[in-house]
Amino acid sequence: QVQLQESGPGLVKPSETLSLNCTVSGHSVTSDYWGWIRQPPGKGPEWIGYIYYSGSTNYNPSLNSRVTISLDTSKKQLSLKLTSVTAADTAVYYCVRDRSVSWYFSWGQGTLVTVSS
Amino acid sequence: EIVLTQSPGTLSLSPGERATLSCRASQSVSSSYLAWYHQRPGQAPRLLIYGASNRAAGIPDRFSGSGSGTDFTLTISRLEPEDFAVYYCQQYGGSPLITFGQGTRLEIK
Repeated sequence: QVQLQESGPGLVKPSETLSLNCTVSGHSVTSDYWGWIRQPPGKGPEWIGYIYYSGSTNYNPSLNSRVTISLDTSKKQLSLKLTSVTAADTAVYYCVRDRSVSWYFSWGQGTLVTVSS
Repeated sequence: EIVLTQSPGTLSLSPGERATLSCRASQSVSSSYLAWYHQRPGQAPRLLIYGASNRAAGIPDRFSGSGSGTDFTLTISRLEPEDFAVYYCQQYGGSPLITFGQGTRLEIK
């Protein structure tokens, strides 16, 4: 059974870059869609983007210029970088995965990232 | 952007009762691309229904989904204590590719 574990700083200063990793266990990363979803406190989820195992990506246009998702198959690690963060980027960030591009069966436990000086 | 509007915002019911949750899309969504999740406090969302009416692995048969076009419904036939949570619908295919509804909170009456 696939397990996803997010890691990274819980506090990021405004204008800096948010960097998170997701370690994958129990499943090959040489298949499927891998992505990130975030959820601001008290609000619904927001899709950030995905990377297909072959390397193709698709991002939310609202974040497109600031976001990069990558997949390191040798480390079995998914990464997220979000540049020029503001308080509006404060959220729980989830790593997700599915065979389908259309929904996500597997979710990590999530990690809270707060943007504050 | 395809906006998903869920109703009601909060639904108060008792265990054993039937729950009906609605998700309305601002434009037509292919039935193949509509999903439902629930989220308990402090936990990640869990996929319940995909393709509008297919139960995800491990989901009990008291959960069912239906609908097409712009109107979709999640029905829970007999509520169990663990079903009280927030429910989200999600679509694929617009721009952005994936959007979620604002959620329906199912609370114990």
